[in-house]
This record gives sequence, C-alpha cells and structure tokens, in this order.
Amino acid sequence: SQQGEEDPQALSIQEGENATMNCSYKTSINNLQWYRQNSGRGLVHLILIRSNEREKHSGRLRVTLDTSKKSSSLLITASRAADTASYFCATELYTDKLIFGTGTRLQVFP
Amino acid sequence: NAGVMQNPRHLVRRRGQEARLRCSPMKGHSHVYWYRQLPEEGLKFMVYLQKENIIDESGMPKERFSAEFPKEGPSILRIQQVVRGDSAAYFCASSPGRGNEQFFGPGTRLTVL
Repeated sequence: SQQGEEDPQALSIQEGENATMNCSYKTSINNLQWYRQNSGRGLVHLILIRSNEREKHSGRLRVTLDTSKKSSSLLITASRAADTASYFCATELYTDKLIFGTGTRLQVFP
Repeated sequence: NAGVMQNPRHLVRRRGQEARLRCSPMKGHSHVYWYRQLPEEGLKFMVYLQKENIIDESGMPKERFSAEFPKEGPSILRIQQVVRGDSAAYFCASSPGRGNEQFFGPGTRLTVL
C-alpha cells in the first residue's frame, strides 16, 4: 500500500500566493524528502528533513514534520509561475528505499 | 561533477523484445536505486544496489526483470520479453550512503508497442 498520501491532489493559485501541500505516512521513518517534477521530466530534490527535526527552510520553501501525527507539509511562499510542477513527498524507511506519495499537481497562474 | 546519467532517454520496443536501461551514478556514489513511474502516478521503488550486490529487490517483479551494478561500469536494469504494461518512465537515483538524499537521473521512457 502507498506509504505517502499527498493532499490536495491538485492546487491552482495565483502568482504571489502561498501554496501548502500536505503529506501523511503510515510507518516510522528515517527521514522525509520533498521532490519536484516538471511535466515529463526527472525529479529535483528540494528538502530532506530527518525524523528528529521539526522544521526546515530553504529559500521560499518551508517544510515541517510532525512524527506524532505522521505528517509533513511543504509551504512555498510568494509562488511564481515557474513553480508549476508536481510535488512529491517520499519517506525513507530504515531500509534506505524511498516510498513516494501520489503527488500534488501545482498550477501557478501569472 | 556530472549528475546521474541515464541512457537511453527514450526507448521503443516491440512486445517480446528485451529492454536494457543504463544508469551511471554521480561520482563518488556507490548506492544505486531504480524506480518506475506509471503515467500520472508517483514513483515506485524497484531495487537498491551497491557495487556487485543487490541490497533490496522487494519492488522488482519476480519474472523478466533483473538488475545489476557491476564493479566497473553503469548499473543495468534489464527487462526481458517486454509487454505493454512495462511502458513507463524508469528513474535511477544514486546516493553516497545510507540516510542521504538521493539524486535522480532524467529517466528513461520506455514505450512498448
């Protein structure tokens, strides 16, 4: 069964607005990673947050992790049209493999 | 430092043929992972290899699929007697060790006619 489930499945916003995507998972993890994928392209690594961390920032990205609720969120502030992509959370279990969620398709309108 | 390289980028095969997908990890990375992505879906783990060893192949179909990562050269994902359901994007990732981020290649898009 899918380890990660993202919510919402799709999100449409205007440039300048913030976008929040959520990810829930089922089992204990070593770390959680967020990736971006432009249509038909490879994955770009955004942020890795370890199980003992609660929040991380990278530029306009902010990731939180709540291990008690088994959930994470990705916030993109001041969104741009170039942020249009699919965003995936991936949990790394203690076996090293990544288990990907179903993704959130973000559309940012200029 | 070149990123993860995959070739070919696109591969078309007829049913029953063999498909060979190659992955060269980033320099200094000895851990390689293969994932498959069906259209409109997330990536699904297939296999995790280190040099000359398969560490975890729990996501690999039991038949027709095999993977190797020899001492020299790229990692190879081999699909024998392809069927239409094998059509997907196959991504390779590498990392320097356990618990580190995985860097993904551009993928190989396999189309089975």
